[in-house]
Amino acid sequence: EAGVAQSPRYKIIEKRQSVAFWCNPISGHATLYWYQQILGQGPKLLIQFQNNGVVDDSQLPKDRFSAERLKGVDSTLKIQPAKLEDSAVYLCASSLRRGTGAKIGEAFFGQGTRLTVV
Amino acid sequence: DAKTTQPNSMESNEEEPVHLPCNHSTISGTDYIHWYRQLPSQGPEYVIHGLTSNVNNRMASLAIAEDRKSSTLILHRATLRDAAVYYCIPPYQLHGGSQGNLIFGKGTKLSVKP
Repeated sequence: EAGVAQSPRYKIIEKRQSVAFWCNPISGHATLYWYQQILGQGPKLLIQFQNNGVVDDSQLPKDRFSAERLKGVDSTLKIQPAKLEDSAVYLCASSLRRGTGAKIGEAFFGQGTRLTVV
Repeated sequence: DAKTTQPNSMESNEEEPVHLPCNHSTISGTDYIHWYRQLPSQGPEYVIHGLTSNVNNRMASLAIAEDRKSSTLILHRATLRDAAVYYCIPPYQLHGGSQGNLIFGKGTKLSVKP
């Protein structure tokens, strides 16, 4: 079974530039998450989708971050304009269905995109 | 919101058992307890979950206290590949409640010595 695919793996940009990350979840997974992980910290949830609807985006800095999940499959996360403090690994995860499934609460993570803002 | 408390770090010798504790004193009756781990340079991966009774799978065992205010992740024989950060996820309800979000704290960094 193919896992969660993310691209690019690495990105270096200058501050005030824009950047976009792409995620393709596991086929059939209705729930998709985007996390930000700053070095030395645990992942921080930015946004959660259920199909193509937003379930929780309370931690998303909406003045500069945006995310969409058209057609309820793959998703993009955009930062515009980037700041130095946005340097982090951006992780995408998906799960079968919110609150159901043989392994309740099991989410599968991609390898992440490491963003460096200089 | 339910919160968890874990030690920042722990050490183990290879092939010895490891007990990773977690306190979740604000748990409610229908909240599930999940554990994830994150190996270096990888995304987190699911380890185990439970509700009331102890649980076993091929990766680990989960021992849940009778009052459910704490749990312990047990690795029966630690290997060098088990060196990772282990996250105890704040318990959440699967229906309604916190929408089933996975909220990560700082976790416990497990080091395994050969």
